[in-house]
Amino acid sequence: DSGVTQTPKHLITATGQRVTLRCSPRSGDLSVYWYQQSLDQGLQFLIQYYNGEERAKGNILERFSAQQFPDLHSELNLSSLELGDSALYFCASSASGGPFEKLFFGSGTQLSVL
Amino acid sequence: QQPVQSPQAVILREGEDAVINCSSSKALYSVHWYRQKHGEAPVFLMILLKGGEQKGHDKISASFNEKKQQSSLYLTASQLSYSGTYFCGTAPGSNNDMRFGAGTRLTVKP
Repeated sequence: DSGVTQTPKHLITATGQRVTLRCSPRSGDLSVYWYQQSLDQGLQFLIQYYNGEERAKGNILERFSAQQFPDLHSELNLSSLELGDSALYFCASSASGGPFEKLFFGSGTQLSVL
Repeated sequence: QQPVQSPQAVILREGEDAVINCSSSKALYSVHWYRQKHGEAPVFLMILLKGGEQKGHDKISASFNEKKQQSSLYLTASQLSYSGTYFCGTAPGSNNDMRFGAGTRLTVKP
């Protein structure tokens, strides 16, 4: 158990809908990361937050947004969903977001868009 | 910005060795290695920093050549438990926004 909690574990929705994925980092970790993993694909970096502030942005679509709240949990909002958004979404956390820190991954949210 | 991994897949018998390579077109602060078993989350293996030092984790070790912007993961005397997909990750700057390679799928057979 990495200590990172993601909910829900599975999400099935329809095209055009909006969903919210939630992540609670490990106790004491200030930085949260979101990754997308499509079927048999690698891990695509979406976005990083540190203590409530956006720190780095990757290949995140405009239809997607995220935020980190004062209690350090984070939410990833996906809107106007398309079939291609079906993927496993991972959240990870690290202590302060520095370059030499290991990432602890949650178990992921499997999103299926039908 | 993503590192490039090779090979894409490897099949081994127990006890055999394997090498997984990772290269980047940009200067690197560090290289990270993670392993993901099927249906599970990626798990950290090791971090390599500038200086070419080698790190070890059981019978898994790695090297980092920052001049060539390359890293290699060495798996010796492989065990069934080594099966999984191995990812190398690099951060383009001083943040930890890890960009991962496409992964190398390692299968160890009895």
